[in-house]
This record gives sequence, C-alpha cells and structure tokens, in this order.
Amino acid sequence: QSALTQPASVSGSPGQSITISCTGTNSDVGGYDYVSWYQQHPDKAPKLIIYDVNTRPSGVSNRFSGSKSGNTASLTISGLQAEDEADYYCSSYSTSSTLEIFGGGTKLAVL
Amino acid sequence: EVQLLDSGGDLVQPGGSLRLSCAASGFTFSNYAMSWVRQAPGKGLEWVSGIRGSGSTTYYADSVKGRFTISRDNSKNTLYLQMNSLRAEDTAIYYCAIGIQGINDWGQGTLVTVSS
Repeated sequence: QSALTQPASVSGSPGQSITISCTGTNSDVGGYDYVSWYQQHPDKAPKLIIYDVNTRPSGVSNRFSGSKSGNTASLTISGLQAEDEADYYCSSYSTSSTLEIFGGGTKLAVL
Repeated sequence: EVQLLDSGGDLVQPGGSLRLSCAASGFTFSNYAMSWVRQAPGKGLEWVSGIRGSGSTTYYADSVKGRFTISRDNSKNTLYLQMNSLRAEDTAIYYCAIGIQGINDWGQGTLVTVSS
C-alpha cells in the first residue's frame, strides 16, 4: 500500500493562508471520512490538529481547517504564524491490507 | 493526566529480535485501541500495528506482517510490540499511541537501531 501523496514542501508569509493537499484513492481518502492531520515540530512527537476530515480537537487553533473533495483531502492554515513552521502529515483509514496509512509529509516554511 | 511511557529500544543486529513496551496511565487502558507508529531518521510517519481494547483483534502494516506481533496486558496497562527478523529498514523511533485513527496521545518514542 503506497503512502498518501502530499507535496514535499509549501511556504507562505506571516498572515497569509496556505493549503496542503493529500491525495489517495477510493479505498482510503475518497471512501471514508476518517482523514486526520498531524503537526510535527523537530524532535517532537506528532500533534493531532484535525480528525474526521474537518474536526479540530479541543485546544487547536481555529486557524487550522480541513476539507475533502473526492480522493483529495486538504489542510488550510490561515493567518500563518512563525510557530506554524513544521512538518504536516495526513493519514486515512484504508480498506487495503494496511489499516491506516500516512502521507509522505509536507514541510511548511514561514518566510 | 494521560501518560504513555515507551521503552525497550536498543541496537540490534539484522535478523535479531526486540520487544518494545508502553506503560499507560491516566485513562482506562482496556477501553481504548492502541497503535505503534514509527518514524525512520529524517523520514515520515508510518503506522505499524494496532490492537483493539480487548486485544481480540490486531492489525499490521504490510511491511511488518509476519515479523511483528502486537499484544497488550490490560491488567498491567501495558502495550507490547514483539519484533522478530529485524531489518535495517526497521530502524526508527517507535511511538506508542492511543487509538488508530485520529491519534491524540503519543508516547515520547523509543529508538530502535538495526545494524551490524
């Protein structure tokens, strides 16, 4: 089972908005509303920022939002801040032989 | 407060075995599915294995199927990962985590290095 496809890197200026895409198949992203997004700073454990496509856990800023269209899920970060600079990973439930699959990760640079 | 304490990581030779443990506290352990997720040095996250709260159902990534075994002892609030026939590509930080989708709680990770 191949990883979900994410852009390797994106960048934006403080205050701007950016969107990170996550493309899968009908067997994962497109077939189920079980897409999650994680933020990971260097040498830290991942932090959940979105689950079930568009739900934010308690305490996560409303600058983070998720959506899905067909086989592609998206994470949008509005009002970029310096502390948003991190790696971002999507994941999805999958009916393939691997139950849960991650994207390859996207490095966000805040210029 | 939820706590997950990963341990057991070490340097092991190719073909060798290792058992990871994750001591859980601060929640009703038996009520939750648990997972192991790994991250190779400088690489992305990879879900490795999951187990339902009762321990009756287990799941594995294709990359470890037949070599790794996940288990849990609900009386000890502890999750395990038995890793056999280890390969260089299994070198990674292994994180214990609560849940399978939408993982909100992670251990600190334990480093497994497979090298001769």
